[in-house]
Amino acid sequence: GESVGLHLPTLSVQEGDNSIINCAYSNSASDYFIWYKQESGKGPQFIIDIRSNMDKRQGQRVTVLLNKTVKHLSLQIAATQPGDSAVYFCAESEYGNKLVFGAGTILRVKS
Amino acid sequence: DTAVSQTPKYLVTQMGNDKSIKCEQNLGHDTMYWYKQDSKKFLKIMFSYNNKELIINETVPNRFSPKSPDKAHLNLHINSLELGDSAVYFCASSLGTVSNQPQHFGDGTRLSIL
Repeated sequence: GESVGLHLPTLSVQEGDNSIINCAYSNSASDYFIWYKQESGKGPQFIIDIRSNMDKRQGQRVTVLLNKTVKHLSLQIAATQPGDSAVYFCAESEYGNKLVFGAGTILRVKS
Repeated sequence: DTAVSQTPKYLVTQMGNDKSIKCEQNLGHDTMYWYKQDSKKFLKIMFSYNNKELIINETVPNRFSPKSPDKAHLNLHINSLELGDSAVYFCASSLGTVSNQPQHFGDGTRLSIL
């Protein structure tokens, strides 16, 4: 697949298990955070976002956790499915400025 | 379908040529963006337009010139293409500025320079 040769962190999980993808961000002044999923040959697809006045937000099968103290963001996916296999990106922005993307994590779901 | 659409999907051309990539969104958004994704999947913003006005212009060679004829379109023209321009270019749009609403991406234009 397209991920061959990419030296991104890889998370392999069994179908049905929960996945946790982590992201360390750099700017303590960032006030908006967002997770994207990118499948092979496609553009990044919005999953969930969170603002700095919150520490947790839930969507359908996904939860984002924000720890501003240690500048850490995580994406939890419940009951991971084969269709969740993709590269996941976190991104941050400060006061409406540009989005700065992290390096990405490959999620592989084993059936 | 409501979407961000960009053309062409693939672009193969020789060094030194000039090429354009077009982007259109029918989401009613007023901010549009161009991103470059390199071979390591690193995604970096190049330009952003809000209501046809340039608001973000990263350190991009001036061979790259965005043009926004209206708020639903943001095209990218590249002059004198170089080998290092090979990448996937993504267009995106959002309803407001970055911190207000998530950005929605097109499926990319894969540019290969021979």
